[in-house]
Amino acid sequence: DQQVKQNSPSLSVQEGRISILNCDYTNSMFDYFLWYKKYPAEGPTFLISISSIKDKNEDGRFTVFLNKSAKHLSLHIVPSQPGDSAVYFCAASAGFGNEKLTFGTGTRL
Amino acid sequence: EAGVVQSPRYKIIEKKQPVAFWCNPISGHNTLYWYLQNLGQGPELLIRYENEEAVDDSQLPKDRFSAERLKGVDSTLKIQPAELGDSAVYLCASSLGLAGTQFFGPGTRLTVL
Repeated sequence: DQQVKQNSPSLSVQEGRISILNCDYTNSMFDYFLWYKKYPAEGPTFLISISSIKDKNEDGRFTVFLNKSAKHLSLHIVPSQPGDSAVYFCAASAGFGNEKLTFGTGTRL
Repeated sequence: EAGVVQSPRYKIIEKKQPVAFWCNPISGHNTLYWYLQNLGQGPELLIRYENEEAVDDSQLPKDRFSAERLKGVDSTLKIQPAELGDSAVYLCASSLGLAGTQFFGPGTRLTVL
């Protein structure tokens, strides 16, 4: 049972354009969401997070949007740069904590 | 500041052999995690430690997997005996408390032949 789903295994975007990565979840107890970025042969690196009391969080070129009613979140990268090429994992937890993360399967940008 | 250190980075063994992975978390991080990442999947939590206590090992296959975190710092994850299906990347992460961001090490890629 995949509680966090990233339905696009890969995404191709031109430099300078917007990248939009999507994530859906099924567990209504999830209230904290994160995006991690992973380069080959490295561990995942924390990128940005959002709690369920917000619907948007922005950090530089990265913005995460949360739609609780649709159980959907997205990561926007504007403008996209060559160094953004990586695998992006969506993760979720319950209880406003980080201790038990459930990860999606990742999207390769 | 040094990140999470894992060794070895790569390990190839034959099935039924034992194997062990080592993790040194970021200094001061009392929470340590071991994850399993299969090809094309996201990381899945195996075990979580608060200091030296395993507070969540519900996903650890205890018939062949064991872990320890003596003195609440370094940790070792062991598989004995290894099976073909254990081939995966084993990731260690640490955080400053339960609410802290998890920082991941580079992982150990295990291949079981």
